[in-house]
Amino acid sequence: NAGVTQTPKFRVLKTGQSMTLLCAQDMNHEYMYWYRQDPGMGLRLIHYSVGEGTTAKGEVPDGYNVSRLKKQNFLLGLESAAPSQTSVYFCASIGVGRGTDTQYFGPGTRLTVL
Amino acid sequence: GNSVTQMEGPVTLSEEAFLTINCTYTATGYPSLFWYVQYPGEGLQLLLKATKADDKGSNKGFEATYRKETTSFHLEKGSVQVSDSAVYFCALSDGGNTGKLIFGQGTTLQVKP
Repeated sequence: NAGVTQTPKFRVLKTGQSMTLLCAQDMNHEYMYWYRQDPGMGLRLIHYSVGEGTTAKGEVPDGYNVSRLKKQNFLLGLESAAPSQTSVYFCASIGVGRGTDTQYFGPGTRLTVL
Repeated sequence: GNSVTQMEGPVTLSEEAFLTINCTYTATGYPSLFWYVQYPGEGLQLLLKATKADDKGSNKGFEATYRKETTSFHLEKGSVQVSDSAVYFCALSDGGNTGKLIFGQGTTLQVKP
C-alpha cells in the first residue's frame, strides 16, 4: 500500500514551458486535492476533485488545469509556466468529503521556473 | 470567510522544554480542527484532530483542545525532543461536503540538544 505518490519529485522549467504533475493514490479515495506551498503562506488549494470525471477550482486556480480521468489519478497541468509558479506542490486524498476525515498527503514535487 | 492564524516562527527550544504553538481561527458553523506536521523533505501527516467543541486531540505527547469560546486550538507538548523539529500547520475543515481544508501559515519548530 503506497498511499499517495507524486511524479516527478523535482523539476526545473523555463518560462513558457509546459508540464504535467501526476498524483496517484491506491486507497480507493473519492476526493483528491492539489495544493501549493510557499514560504510563510501555508498550503493553498489550487484545484480539487470530488470524484472521477469531476474537478473544481480552489483558492488559487489561475495558470493551472487538472483532470481526473481515473479515480486513482489526479493530474495537474501547467500550460505556460511562469516564475510565480515556483513552489512545492502537494497532492492529497480523502475517502469522502466529511469534514472530520484526515487528508493523506504525497511527498511533494519541487518545481522551479526560471 | 474562514481563516486560520498561527503564531509566527521559527520557534527554537532546548530539548525537554515546554512547547506551545498558538492557533486561532475564524469560521462559521462548527468546523473540525487539525494539526498537521511536516518533517524535513516530507509531505504533511496528521498529528491530531478535534471534531467538536471541548474535544481534546492527542498524539505522540502532543495535545490540543478545541476552545469555541476563544476560537483557539493551541498545540502543546510538555517535553520536546530533537526529533520533534518540523513545521506544524493548524487547519480547519471548510464545511460542506468537499473535505477542503484551510491551513495556517505554518510554524517552524527547531529543538536543540
